[in-house]
Amino acid sequence: DAGITQSPRHKVTETGTPVTLRCHQTENHRYMYWYRQDPGHGLRLIHYSYGVKDTDKGEVSDGYSVSRSKTEDFLLTLESATSSQTSVYFCAISERLAGAYEQYFGPGTRLTVT
Amino acid sequence: DQQVKQNSPSLSVQEGRISILNCDYTNSMFDYFLWYKKYPAEGPTFLISISSIKDKNEDGRFTVFLNKSAKHLSLHIVPSQPGDSAVYFCAARSNTGKLIFGQGTTLQVKP
Repeated sequence: DAGITQSPRHKVTETGTPVTLRCHQTENHRYMYWYRQDPGHGLRLIHYSYGVKDTDKGEVSDGYSVSRSKTEDFLLTLESATSSQTSVYFCAISERLAGAYEQYFGPGTRLTVT
Repeated sequence: DQQVKQNSPSLSVQEGRISILNCDYTNSMFDYFLWYKKYPAEGPTFLISISSIKDKNEDGRFTVFLNKSAKHLSLHIVPSQPGDSAVYFCAARSNTGKLIFGQGTTLQVKP
């Protein structure tokens, strides 16, 4: 199993509060991703990182920000949580972008915004 | 606009029979296709992939078929086992290197 952990695994928060989710990897992979999974939508990319301090937006980035100060850590922040951000969040890592590769996923964080 | 679609939300098959999961895509520039399996309360795990220059890839009980002219791929599981019961996601890699996922199909294999 790829060494990916996510914390917290479950969180309930109130609308308007800030929330930070953490992804930690021990594989030293360059690329890290944040996805959200919602019924009927599959997995949608929020933000991704291609190196320390190098990040870019994905498909559903509004309301989210990310930071990567170390290779092993990728943080996802909801500045002011809304009920539409209730979801399951997955972090993923990959060694490279091109060629035959796959992304490895963490166990997920279930976030509920009340 | 959904570029990768799994039109069957669920599929139920008997143990020992074949399971066929389908996926359609719209972008002819996708160069790689992957299937992931997901159990409840776990992250997706990679299952099998296929390059756009091939039409078939096989790994044990799992075979992925790609029909580029129809923009369609399918995953065959033979024989199906109860442990295969999970949500299956197909994904396509765009020319920017990112993966675009379908909505998922829940497979139930009955003993």
